[in-house]
Amino acid sequence: QLQLQESGPGLMKPSETLSLTCSVYSGSISSSSYYWGWIRQPPGKGLEWLGSIYFSGNTYYNPSLRSRVTVSVDTSKKQFSLKLTSVTATDTAVYYCARSRWGGFNSGWYWYFDLWGRGTLVTVSS
Amino acid sequence: QSVLTQPPSASGTPGQSVTMFCSGSGSNIGSNSVNWYQQVSGTAPKLLIYRNNQRPSGVPDRFSGSKSGASASLAISGLQSEDEADYYCATWDDSLNGPVFGGGTKLTVL
Repeated sequence: QLQLQESGPGLMKPSETLSLTCSVYSGSISSSSYYWGWIRQPPGKGLEWLGSIYFSGNTYYNPSLRSRVTVSVDTSKKQFSLKLTSVTATDTAVYYCARSRWGGFNSGWYWYFDLWGRGTLVTVSS
Repeated sequence: QSVLTQPPSASGTPGQSVTMFCSGSGSNIGSNSVNWYQQVSGTAPKLLIYRNNQRPSGVPDRFSGSKSGASASLAISGLQSEDEADYYCATWDDSLNGPVFGGGTKLTVL
């Protein structure tokens, strides 16, 4: 059973760059069926998608965060990563990595996150 | 402000049925399939319904999804105490070129 696990710092200072890594266990990161992405959830609030990457390197980003977010993949290590620059207190959240299935469906698209990591809390505070 | 609109709360008693709604627009729900996620407090979201009305393996058939135009709904029958959770709708948005979520509905089982 494929599993995802996030790793990274739990506490950061304003203006720093957040770097998180998601490791893929017991499965392939190079499948043509999936994108690999990041979603965050501020305390007591809803879910916000940040960005996703295909094993070949193709990416999608949330337009509202595009200037600050980079998602990358290292297939040899079976990992994908998130970088978020110039963090502020509003970036305090639980960050989840997740696998997406995607494709065409009835003249439209389907895209759903079928597997999630446990999440890691990142706190930005001076 | 979420792209998809969900009522913030819903409630029901054990055994009852409850329906939650999700409203979008032509560029998201109106064009693409809808998914629903269940998030029990303190845990990661879990896929509950995908492609409008499909259940992943292990999800009870008490949960069902439907879509009409630019709106979608999630119905839960035979409500159980373990159904108490936050429920999020989501879909692909053609204008934003990415997946979008609703703000979530908190279901309380009284």
